[in-house]
Amino acid sequence: GENVEQHPSTLSVQEGDSAVIKCTYSDSASNYFPWYKQELGKGPQLIIDIRSNVGEKKDQRIAVTLNKTAKHFSLHITETQPEDSAVYFCAASKGTGGFKTIFGAGTRLFVKA
Amino acid sequence: KAGVTQTPRYLIKTRGQQVTLSCSPISGHRSVSWYQQTPGQGLQFLFEYFSETQRNKGNFPGRFSGRQFSNSRSEMNVSTLELGDSALYLCASSSTGTNEQFFGPGTRLTVL
Repeated sequence: GENVEQHPSTLSVQEGDSAVIKCTYSDSASNYFPWYKQELGKGPQLIIDIRSNVGEKKDQRIAVTLNKTAKHFSLHITETQPEDSAVYFCAASKGTGGFKTIFGAGTRLFVKA
Repeated sequence: KAGVTQTPRYLIKTRGQQVTLSCSPISGHRSVSWYQQTPGQGLQFLFEYFSETQRNKGNFPGRFSGRQFSNSRSEMNVSTLELGDSALYLCASSSTGTNEQFFGPGTRLTVL
C-alpha cells in the first residue's frame, strides 16, 4: 500500500546549525505535502506545505523542496533555535481531508544550546 | 479565530468500558478527521466527517465509531475498550475543498 518513509528518526544539532529531514512517498498521485511540528503535549501544527506544481517554498527559516520525479521531499530548517526542538512529521496527500493523507513516522529534533 | 478544541484532554478507563471523545472544529470548517497516534503505529486515520456524514473510514474495527452534528462538532466513541486502544486521539478540521488540516491538542486515553 501507499506509504511515506521519513529519515532520520532522531536528529541532534547545535543551535545555529541547519537541520534537514527527508521523506519519500510511494503514491505518484500525491499532490500535497504538508509538514507538521508536534511539541510535547500538543497536537501537530502545520508549519509549511508544498503542492506538486511547485519545487520549493520558503518561509523565513524553514523551506521545503519537492522532487516529483524521485518522489521525495525535504524540510530544511536554518539557524536552528532551542524552541525548534520537537517531533516533525511529513505527509503526502492526494485529496482533501484526512482519508488520503499518509504520514511519515516522525523525526525527533533536538537543538542543543 | 479559535483553534480546534478537544475534550476531555485526559481519560483513564478500564478494559471493557466505552468512551466518548469530543471535537469542536475551527469556526466555518465542516470537515473533521480523527486520528489515533501511538508510538508504534504513528498517526493513523480513523474516519472523516463532512456535513454530518461519514465520508471516509480507515482500517479500524467497528468498535470505533463517530458522528458529526449540524454545528460541525464531532464525537468519536470507542466501545469495549482494549489495552491497545491507549493512545492520543487527535481530530483535525479542514475548510471545504482545501487540503490543509488543523489539529486539536488531542485526548490522551489510557486503558488499564
